[in-house]
Parts: sequence; C-alpha cells; structure tokens
Amino acid sequence: AQKITQTQPGMFVQEKEAVTLDCTYDTSDPSYGLFWYKQPSSGEMIFLIYQGSYDQQNATEGRYSLNFQKARKSANLVISASQLGDSAMYFCAMRSIGGSQGNLIFGKGTKLSVKP
Amino acid sequence: DADVTQTPRNRITKTGKRIMLECSQTKGHDRMYWYRQDPGLGLQLIYYSFDVKDINKGEISDGYSVSRQAQAKFSLSLESAIPNQTALYFCATSELTTGSAYEQYFGPGTRLTVT
Repeated sequence: AQKITQTQPGMFVQEKEAVTLDCTYDTSDPSYGLFWYKQPSSGEMIFLIYQGSYDQQNATEGRYSLNFQKARKSANLVISASQLGDSAMYFCAMRSIGGSQGNLIFGKGTKLSVKP
Repeated sequence: DADVTQTPRNRITKTGKRIMLECSQTKGHDRMYWYRQDPGLGLQLIYYSFDVKDINKGEISDGYSVSRQAQAKFSLSLESAIPNQTALYFCATSELTTGSAYEQYFGPGTRLTVT
C-alpha cells in the first residue's frame, strides 16, 4: 500500500530564510509522481510542484524546489526566501503513474508559520 | 471564472438530513474525485469517476453516494448525515497525460457541519 509520512506537524521560519519541509513515502510501484500542495487558512488547495519518479533532475518552480532522493524515498520541499504569505499548511502527496485509480495519497501535512 | 466550482461553499445541517454537494468543471477532464479533509489531517478519497458510466468507491465511501450526471458534473450525497461527517469536502478533476503523472485541479471546497 502507498503511504506518505510528514513528520513535522508544525514549523517556524524567519522571513527571508529558507525552510525544508520533510516528506517520505512508501510504494511498491515502479513509476509514480510526487506532489506538494499549499493550503492557506482560506482552505483551497494550491498545487506547488511535481516530481516524477524517473525524472533525472530535481523539480523547481520559482522559490519552490523539491529535494528528491529516490533511494531514501524522500521528497522534501524547499522554500527559499520565505515570505509572510507562505504561512499555510503544506501537504505532500503521491500517485501511481498508469495506475487504475489515479487518486492522490496525502500526508497529514505540516503547518508552516513565517515570522516577520 | 473558476475551472472547478463547488456548491454550496458552506453548509450547516442536522443529523439525519439528506444533503447533496455539487461539483462542476470546465476543464473538459474525464476524471473527477471527491475527497474529505478532517481537521489536522490530509485528504482522503471518498469516490472517483473516470467517465459518466464509471464510478468507483474510494477508501472512505461508507455513508456517501455519488452521481456523475455529465462529464462536467459530479455530485456527492450524504443520505443521512451524522456529526462525524463534519469536514471540508473537495472535488478534484484530472486528465492522464502520456508518460507522466498529472496535476489534480481542486475546487474551493465545501465546509460541511452536521449538528
């Protein structure tokens, strides 16, 4: 069975500093995708970044990068130059590629608070 | 206009009442999903549909039913609401792209409270 583990219920970071949010996953599928979503207090789910299991390079999207270590089954999100607007819940998720369901499996999330 | 819309956005209902949450999308995607989020937890899959004639149970389907009225519409019903169904409900859509995973597009969510 697939599983996503986020071990940090809450994190604090000083504005303008970088922060890493941890995510480990477990799957027996050879081909899969890893996602990060941001959920601000307003509740919507905002897609941030995607990493495919066969991608050779770590994904980057603006201030977001994904530190993908396949052998360790980790997919940590790095946010550079934190902003006050980055304060939110962050969810790591996974799905199989070519799987019959296509749904995402989510971790329990990490609450990030950015301090001015 | 939003690509994925959900109605209502907020709803308070009483135990035992039937309630329907509706989802519409303009992205032209075949795949639609209903998720539930409990406070402090990630999202869990309730039902999913790959087309109008293909509906499948997710991990927490008990107490829920769905209807895919058209490619663009996917409704979730609580036949007899109970307090532990109080949660934030998300509809999502996606399409499969060859050789890679795909992004799921989420609606804004429906906050349901069962008293």
